[in-house]
This record gives sequence, C-alpha cells and structure tokens, in this order.
Amino acid sequence: GNSVTQMEGPVTLSEEAFLTINCTYTATGYPSLFWYVQYPGEGLQLLLKATKADDKGSNKGFEATYRKETTSFHLEKGSVQVSDSAVYFCALRRSNNDMRFGAGTRLTVKP
Amino acid sequence: GAGVSQSPSNKVTEKGKDVELRCDPISGHTALYWYRQSLGQGLEFLIYFQGNSAPDKSGLPSDRFSAERTGGSVSTLTIQRTQQEDSAVYLCASSLAGGAGELFFGEGSRLTVL
Repeated sequence: GNSVTQMEGPVTLSEEAFLTINCTYTATGYPSLFWYVQYPGEGLQLLLKATKADDKGSNKGFEATYRKETTSFHLEKGSVQVSDSAVYFCALRRSNNDMRFGAGTRLTVKP
Repeated sequence: GAGVSQSPSNKVTEKGKDVELRCDPISGHTALYWYRQSLGQGLEFLIYFQGNSAPDKSGLPSDRFSAERTGGSVSTLTIQRTQQEDSAVYLCASSLAGGAGELFFGEGSRLTVL
C-alpha cells in the first residue's frame, strides 16, 4: 500500500543551523508529494509540494526534491529560525485517493 | 469564511456517550476527508468522500465510528458509545475534485472522553 516514513524526532537545532528531515515513500503509480507544517496551537497548512519526479518544491526557505530513484522527498532549510519551530509532516497522495501522512517530526529551534 | 470550518472546537464527554463532530468544507470542494490526530502522534486516515461515489471507509477504527455527508457539502462524524481511547483531535480537510492536489485542513475538533 501507499505509505510514508519520516525521520523520528524530536529535532533540536540552534538558530541558523542547517535542517534536514528525511522522508521516504512507498507507492504504486506516481503520487504527488507534500510537506505540511503544524505550528503550535494551529492547524495543518501546506508548506510545499511536488507533483512529478525531479520537481523541487520550495517555500519560506524550505526545499524538497521529488526523487523517484530513491523514493525520497527530504525537507531542507539552510538556516532555521526560532519561528520555524513546529511539527512537520511528509505526505503523499495518488490521484483520486486520500492523502497518507508520515508520523510527523517535531522541530525546536533555540535562539 | 473561506476555509474549512469545524465544530465544536472542543468537546468533553463522558465515556459511553455519543458525540457528533461537524465539518463544513470549502465551497466547491467535492472531496472531504476525516483524520484523527492523537496526542503526539501522526495523522490517522478515517474516511474519504468524493462527490457522489461511495465513501472510502477503510480507516474507520470500529463500527462505533460513522460519517455522513449531506448534499455533497457538510459532513458529520459520529462516534457512538465513546471510549477514553477516542480522545484525540479530529481533523477535517477538503480538496478539489479528482487529481492529487493539496488538502485544506480545518482547525480540528478536540475530543476528550472522561
């Protein structure tokens, strides 16, 4: 079946550190891939997405590249800020199907 | 408003009672989803409605859980004879018909079963 595996947290970084959150997927066909973010006390919101192989999604300094050969969609940011502290979810969706989420990775950025 | 609306935002109930959670999707979105997020856990898929098709109920954890979608818009998730393990945040999301586009989430309904 379709599933997503992301690195377990929590992750604690100092401000301006480099961030990588690993995400790999298992799916039949060609899913779209997403990263959602949940800030403290808020609902889930889309951070970025990619719809086909080699696409790069980017937003707010975050990037992720759809790698079909390694079935991965790792999230990266070159310099994190305290305001990036949140829970990050990797997700996939096949056409006309529901979205499947990873377990989430809690990121804490310390000043 | 323009977003997905859920009510109530918080619900505290006693074990054994029935509860109803409501979701009002974004206008024009024909796909609607329910997920459950337990404390410190990821999102667990519950049920998916797409237009007039039969819903995908494969994620419902037991027959105490059911959901309806009336008129292709508002949805109600019903939990009968609630148990303490049902305590969680229930999230609703909607999306445009078909495709593999993004889901838009509501703020969630936090359910606490005493």
